[in-house]
Amino acid sequence: AQKITQTQPGMFVQEKEAVTLDCTYDTSDPSYGLFWYKQPSSGEMIFLIYQGSYDQQNATEGRYSLNFQKARKSANLVISASQLGDSAMYFCAMREGPTGNTPLVFGKGTRLSVIA
Amino acid sequence: GAVVSQHPSWVICKSGTSVKIECRSLDFQATTMFWYRQFPKQSLMLMATSNEGSKATYEQGVEKDKFLINHASLTLSTLTVTSAHPEDSSFYICSAREQGVTNSPLHFGNGTRLTVT
Repeated sequence: AQKITQTQPGMFVQEKEAVTLDCTYDTSDPSYGLFWYKQPSSGEMIFLIYQGSYDQQNATEGRYSLNFQKARKSANLVISASQLGDSAMYFCAMREGPTGNTPLVFGKGTRLSVIA
Repeated sequence: GAVVSQHPSWVICKSGTSVKIECRSLDFQATTMFWYRQFPKQSLMLMATSNEGSKATYEQGVEKDKFLINHASLTLSTLTVTSAHPEDSSFYICSAREQGVTNSPLHFGNGTRLTVT
């Protein structure tokens, strides 16, 4: 079974509008971390936001917020006030376990296109 | 912030030759580094976990004799693609996590685009 599922291969959003990118995850480990990365066409991986499994509140970082619904095992990324520069691939990823030496498992990604 | 430097950014080589890719953590120490591979329009797939001073751990299906990993110091890991073939053409990207920083994300290098002709 896939650990991270991103069901939207591509999304379009009008500039200045908000957009939600979906992510569901699968783990039996009570301690885990969820991450979102942005990958522009240049290929670099840019860290956006983190949510820990024990965090009570949804994470926010500037225009990015994470809608964490633990019971549903979902961790959707919300981008507010979209900008043309937000056009990129977005990957949801998970670290299982509490330690720092475990890798991230990535979803297949969602390509976001922001339209002027 | 934590920076991971990866070199080269791109390389073209002939079939049968070997290519070495370097990954350095510039302002932090990393006992563990991760190597990922990304085919066009696909996700990042973990290839191996590089451990400083010990052997790397390879994911299932990754040939350890073909993809040699050396983690000689706390700031440097190298991936050597030996006897490269066209099917090895891909985007290789390394990553590391800051030691001692709670919930630190993985910091990625800028990747290496390998083309084997």
